[in-house]
Amino acid sequence: GAVVSQHPSRVICKSGTSVKIECRSLDFQATTMFWYRQFPKKSLMLMATSNEGSKATYEQGVEKDKFLINHASLTLSTLTVTSAHPEDSSFYICSARRSETQYFGPGTRLLVL
Amino acid sequence: LAKTTQPISMDSYEGQEVNITCSHNNIATNDYITWYQQFPSQGPRFIIQGYKTKVTNEVASLFIPADRKSSTLSLPRVSLSDTAVYYCLVGKGRGSTLGRLYFGRGTQLTVWP
Repeated sequence: GAVVSQHPSRVICKSGTSVKIECRSLDFQATTMFWYRQFPKKSLMLMATSNEGSKATYEQGVEKDKFLINHASLTLSTLTVTSAHPEDSSFYICSARRSETQYFGPGTRLLVL
Repeated sequence: LAKTTQPISMDSYEGQEVNITCSHNNIATNDYITWYQQFPSQGPRFIIQGYKTKVTNEVASLFIPADRKSSTLSLPRVSLSDTAVYYCLVGKGRGSTLGRLYFGRGTQLTVWP
């Protein structure tokens, strides 16, 4: 149990376009999901907390207009990277919270050309 | 926010027991301690979680002293496939609507044949 999926697993896009990443909790409902990004050889950095039915809470320094988060249902949260630029290339990972534990998705590799 | 400190790297040989200690001096009363394992280009995988004393599952054991200012992850009889980065995190658990996790640098465990 406690399976979290992400789609797509990897995506390549042109600079200036927008990319949407989906995060799904497959076998449980999650009122709270989280989005992280990870650069090579670095640790995960929390970007935002996604709350079902309400606005996301962004960490300091994360642009809310750049990284749009929607948590429309108890099993789905989406992260949209708007007007992507090469510096947005990274590994994006989501997690879903069940009770006291966060379960992580497999990650999405974004490459912006 | 409780900050954690772990060794940056550890080496072991196959079949040995590995103990990774994490310090979290500022842990709050309702914080849980959670350990994750991460392989390259994958999302973190939940290993074990505890609040106090000792927790054991089919993968590892977690030892937490009475003052809860540190914890030790014990991996019995490691194999080459246990080579990964291990993260110790402290976050608000049961009863909390927050539960945000802030990752430190983690411990790179390398298992040699």
